[in-house]
Parts: sequence; structure tokens; C-alpha cells
Amino acid sequence: DQQVKQNSPSLSVQEGRISILNCDYTNSMFDYFLWYKKYPAEGPTFLISISSIKDKNEDGRFTVFLNKSAKHLSLHIVPSQPGDSAVYFCAARSYNTDKLIFGTGTRLQVFP
Amino acid sequence: ETGVTQTPRHLVMGMTNKKSLKCEQHLGHNAMYWYKQSAKKPLELMFVYSLEERVENNSVPSRFSPECPNSSHLFLHLHTLQPEDSALYLCASSQDHSGAAEKLFFGSGTQLSVL
Repeated sequence: DQQVKQNSPSLSVQEGRISILNCDYTNSMFDYFLWYKKYPAEGPTFLISISSIKDKNEDGRFTVFLNKSAKHLSLHIVPSQPGDSAVYFCAARSYNTDKLIFGTGTRLQVFP
Repeated sequence: ETGVTQTPRHLVMGMTNKKSLKCEQHLGHNAMYWYKQSAKKPLELMFVYSLEERVENNSVPSRFSPECPNSSHLFLHLHTLQPEDSALYLCASSQDHSGAAEKLFFGSGTQLSVL
């Protein structure tokens, strides 16, 4: 059973618009969440994170929102750029195991 | 460039072959990891090494054998693999193994095909 779910395998957004990538989790022991970005033929790279004591974290064009009651987090990219086209992985860490659990990823395509 | 280098980038092997994947990190990190990414599946943690000692083995079949000779190098020895083992194998490192704030730095991966 997947504890971290990214239900949209792909997303297509026009350049300049907002991209919203969603992630749902089931384990209430998760207390730290991360987003990784992966280009083809490269490994994932860390993008942004959020602790469960916060509901929002912003870094430039990237903002992560956490809704603990809904066990949902989202990554907002605004404005979207063609260079943002990649696969985005949501990951969550449980405070009692230190294990990092990944979702299956969402492929974002930003077109001109 | 993430500071984590994996070789080879691509590997094709038969089920009776023995091969090894290599990972090297230049970040001075204390923890190293092997992950497996199969098509349309989440990244799966295989092994964790902290200060050159294996701290986690996620029920990985014995046909996968890790080795960590020092804090900068990590190997994954492969023998008698099955076609379902075909996947992208990713190496990662982090400053330490414990702590919620630890970020992983990944290599580019080895795309493995087992025929």
C-alpha cells in the first residue's frame, strides 16, 4: 500500500501560468516533506521542503503548502518556465523510522 | 553536478553474469544509499550505510550485495539477476543518516537491463 501518492502522472501547463502538483499521504507519523525534481538521464535533486509544524514554505517561484488535516501537500510553481519541465517527486519522512518514502512522480511539461 | 558520481550509466547483463555498480561521493557525507526505481513505481530504498556500516537492508534479495569500503565509495554487486530486476539504480548520500532535515544528494543512476 502506497503511503505517498501522486495521483496525476502528468501535467501540462503553459509558460507563465501556475503549475500545481499534488501529493497525498496516509501515514500520520510523517513530519517532514520534501519535493525532488528529476530531469531525464539525471538523478533527482532536492527542490524544497516543509516541516509539519508549518503550513507553507516559499522559495522564489516555488511554494509548498501542507494541509495536515487533509494529509495533502502541493507544490506551486509560478510563473512556470519551460526549464521546469521535469518529473517531480513528493517524499515524506516518518519521525519514528527516519525512512524517506517517495511517491511515483508527476511529469510536468511547460510549453511556450 | 550533485557531487555523487555513478558508473556505469547503462548496463546490459545476462542472468548468469556478475557485475558491479559503483558510486562515489565528493561531498564529505557520512551516509550513502542505494535506491531502485522501476517503471511507474516509487523509489524504493534498498540499503543504507552510515559511517561505512550497513544500518538498513530493506528485504532485498541476496543476489544484490552492497559494499562500502570507505565513506566515499559504495558498490552494488549483482549476480544471477532476473529480468524483473531491470530498473534505474540510484545512489545517494547525505550528511548523516538520522534527522528529519537530511537531504539526499543523488547520482545520475545506472540504467540496468537484465536479459
